[in-house]
Amino acid sequence: DGGITQSPKYLFRKEGQNVTLSCEQNLNHDAMYWYRQDPGQGLRLIYYSQIVNDFQKGDIAEGYSVSREKKESFPLTVTSAQKNPTAFYLCASRQHTEAFFGQGTRLTVV
Amino acid sequence: DQQVKQNSPSLSVQEGRISILNCDYTNSMFDYFLWYKKYPAEGPTFLISISSIKDKNEDGRFTVFLNKSAKHLSLHIVPSQPGDSAVYFCAASELTGGGNKLTFGTGTQLKVEL
Repeated sequence: DGGITQSPKYLFRKEGQNVTLSCEQNLNHDAMYWYRQDPGQGLRLIYYSQIVNDFQKGDIAEGYSVSREKKESFPLTVTSAQKNPTAFYLCASRQHTEAFFGQGTRLTVV
Repeated sequence: DQQVKQNSPSLSVQEGRISILNCDYTNSMFDYFLWYKKYPAEGPTFLISISSIKDKNEDGRFTVFLNKSAKHLSLHIVPSQPGDSAVYFCAASELTGGGNKLTFGTGTQLKVEL
């Protein structure tokens, strides 16, 4: 089955710890994205990558880091520098037109 | 600076009637627009899209209208059904420029009542 897989669905971390969210796609899409959703704020772009070994900051990149070593993988690291990390994180991939999303990861930092 | 805006956070419509969701954008370089539907704790699902060379695109109960001079697009759902109750996001990108950045609006919560 082709699609995008985000894991885990729920993630809990202590404040001050870095955490990495996984995103894998088997759609052979070049572009991949990370968004964050907070209540009443829609989907805000964290980072995106148009091709392997290349990525650009989105609108709220501070406190996050990414890598794109393989076409099918685009992991997101939430660092201790991110002041409000608790949120719903969505990964997407795209080839020219519509983007396809994973099911999301709910990160809770306590 | 919010380049894609959905000024109505919520909309309530009776079953069988038309739902009209609106979206405005500020970046004149945007040339491809999309609508997504989202349920809580799930990823958005693609509904319909439109290129800037068109002013209308239709797919079943869903029609998207684009007014480039006003930098405005709308999604019409006819007839509305209870299963349409969800958050709807519009999104925009610069396809011809080769850019892949995809910018979303803040969403509109649609409630279709019986």
